[in-house]
Amino acid sequence: QKEVEQNSGPLSVPEGAIASLNCTYSDRVSQSFFWYRQYSGKSPELIMSIYSNGDKEDGRFTAQLNKASQYVSLLIRDSQPSDSATYLCAVRYIGSARQLTFGSGTQLTVLP
Amino acid sequence: EADIYQTPRYLVIGTGKKITLECSQTMGHDKMYWYQQDPGMELHLIHYSYGVNSTEKGDLSSESTVSRIRTEHFPLTLESARPSHTSQYLCASSESVAGSSGNTIYFGEGSWLTVV
Repeated sequence: QKEVEQNSGPLSVPEGAIASLNCTYSDRVSQSFFWYRQYSGKSPELIMSIYSNGDKEDGRFTAQLNKASQYVSLLIRDSQPSDSATYLCAVRYIGSARQLTFGSGTQLTVLP
Repeated sequence: EADIYQTPRYLVIGTGKKITLECSQTMGHDKMYWYQQDPGMELHLIHYSYGVNSTEKGDLSSESTVSRIRTEHFPLTLESARPSHTSQYLCASSESVAGSSGNTIYFGEGSWLTVV
């Protein structure tokens, strides 16, 4: 079982809809959680980080963390075609020498 | 915004050639990383460094080697390139932050290597 699991997709939503991306992680002591966006052929760029249970909002993006259920999600409101990309979930485990453990990513397509 | 630079961005070389991918960051970050990613596939950590003269192998076995003689510089070398080494190589860095806030990894733009 992978330490960080994401549905590979593709996930398709119409323009203007809410896109919901989910990520589950293994039962280890985790510290912080990150969402990266990666356009095709480009390097990952950080969208949001979240450290505490609950919601964190930044513009059209909301990250949700539930440590009891071991999941973190990313909501994208008013989705735009420019949001079409692969979204990577990453978890920092306490004591991990590798800093961040990445999921395999979810491919999102926003249809105009 | 991160200041991390990779060269070359694109390279096509013949089998058996030696290649060094350069990576430099101007943020004074202690930690640096090399990831390998094939198109549409997962990121795989192949090397990381926690500081000068500190290097470790990552999760994915790689025939490449790295060095960390200066904080800002973390080159990756392939002594004898093979077609199986064709991939995108991403350099990244992060700073050490104490406490629960964690630290963020910033990526360079990547180096696309094709071995023919």
